[in-house]
Amino acid sequence: DAGVIQSPRHEVTEMGQEVTLRCKPISGHNSLFWYRQTMMRGLELLIYFNNNVPIDDSGMPEDRFSAKMPNASFSTLKIQPSEPRDSAVYFCASRRDRVNEQFFGPGTRLTVL
Amino acid sequence: AQKVTQVQTEISVVEKEDVTLDCVYETRDTTYYLFWYKQPPSGELVFLIRRNSFDEQNEISGRYSWNFQKSTSSFNFTITASQVVDSAVYFCALLLYAGNMLTFGGGTRLMVKP
Repeated sequence: DAGVIQSPRHEVTEMGQEVTLRCKPISGHNSLFWYRQTMMRGLELLIYFNNNVPIDDSGMPEDRFSAKMPNASFSTLKIQPSEPRDSAVYFCASRRDRVNEQFFGPGTRLTVL
Repeated sequence: AQKVTQVQTEISVVEKEDVTLDCVYETRDTTYYLFWYKQPPSGELVFLIRRNSFDEQNEISGRYSWNFQKSTSSFNFTITASQVVDSAVYFCALLLYAGNMLTFGGGTRLMVKP
């Protein structure tokens, strides 16, 4: 069974550009999470979806960030416009049931110049 | 609010040594789950174990073992006979039964030298 798939694995862009990160959760999982990891702040939860519906987006830094889950097998995290302080590794994770473990994708390393 | 603390930010051992990574958590809830994840240099987060608050039995999986002590709110992780491949950052995390989101500790970077 394929794990969580994220693309791209690496993204280098210039300040002001739009960035779209993509995630395909594990088939059959009904919850999806977006995290950001930086040296300064560690792992931060950005947004959480359950059955494709955003449940908690309190971790989204500001209006420049948006996330969608149009169906059970695909989610995007968009940053527009991007800023250098957005540079981080962005992880997507999925989970089958509420009390089960989350399985993480390989992450997207974003560098904003 | 809940909190997970991993006081050891970095540990360095020589191969074959045993090493224990500490994890202390805070919550007022009586039902919760605890997790350990491994993040090797390649960057992905790998699930290691899940433990619920009603099960205080220690768990062993090969060279890995976990000691859950509810009385001290700790969920420590021991690697026996460490190997270079164990070098990674290890995260402890807490999930409240009534909640949906993991609370992660700051991580412990383990370096195993040959």
